[in-house]
Amino acid sequence: GAVVSQHPSRVICKSGTSVKIECRSLDFQATTMFWYRQFPKQSLMLMATSNEGSKATYEQGVEKDKFLINHASLTLSTLTVTSAHPEDSSFYICSARDQGAGELFFGEGSRLTVL
Amino acid sequence: AQSVSQHNHHVILSEAASLELGCNYSYGGTVNLFWYVQYPGQHLQLLLKYFSGDPLVKGIKGFEAEFIKSKFSFNLRKPSVQWSDTAEYFCAVTSSGGDDKIIFGKGTRLHILP
Repeated sequence: GAVVSQHPSRVICKSGTSVKIECRSLDFQATTMFWYRQFPKQSLMLMATSNEGSKATYEQGVEKDKFLINHASLTLSTLTVTSAHPEDSSFYICSARDQGAGELFFGEGSRLTVL
Repeated sequence: AQSVSQHNHHVILSEAASLELGCNYSYGGTVNLFWYVQYPGQHLQLLLKYFSGDPLVKGIKGFEAEFIKSKFSFNLRKPSVQWSDTAEYFCAVTSSGGDDKIIFGKGTRLHILP
């Protein structure tokens, strides 16, 4: 079946640095990808919708200058956490819809720890 | 606004017990409904989905769910659970009108005792 890959799966960084997380659809093209954040023992929170070739659509309360999203191609979206702080530590998950199958596939997630 | 409510945050069962996890959604239009599972250390996987047609949907690993439109519910069931079903289960809803945003419930952590 279709696979969505995220990289890196774990990243530890110092406060103030920026971190980029990649999300790739491996065997299908995705005009739209989604980025979620999962806090411990809580649900997935949709952060933004990433649209290929255009600006991302951010959910209310998500800082677009903090969480930069780029959807450079039909198979790649990136999330950059800029000037990361400890409160940004979380599990970030991306998903992409295989239009042909109608199914939404999720990446493995990326755990960010900001020291 | 769309929302999804899962009634049980943590469920503990013995093997062979029957399972039912509640899910209610709030949305005024036509919806697509999903159950996802996240096994320990793994990523989210689709268990089953409802788009239209028969409201009783069968998924993988013996799971099924029933869409009851009048109750805005989409409960997940399994007649006899196994230890390997220990995982977190998420109910989710998206509009069938083309808005791809998927809204998740808070999840139910299921722990099966061997």
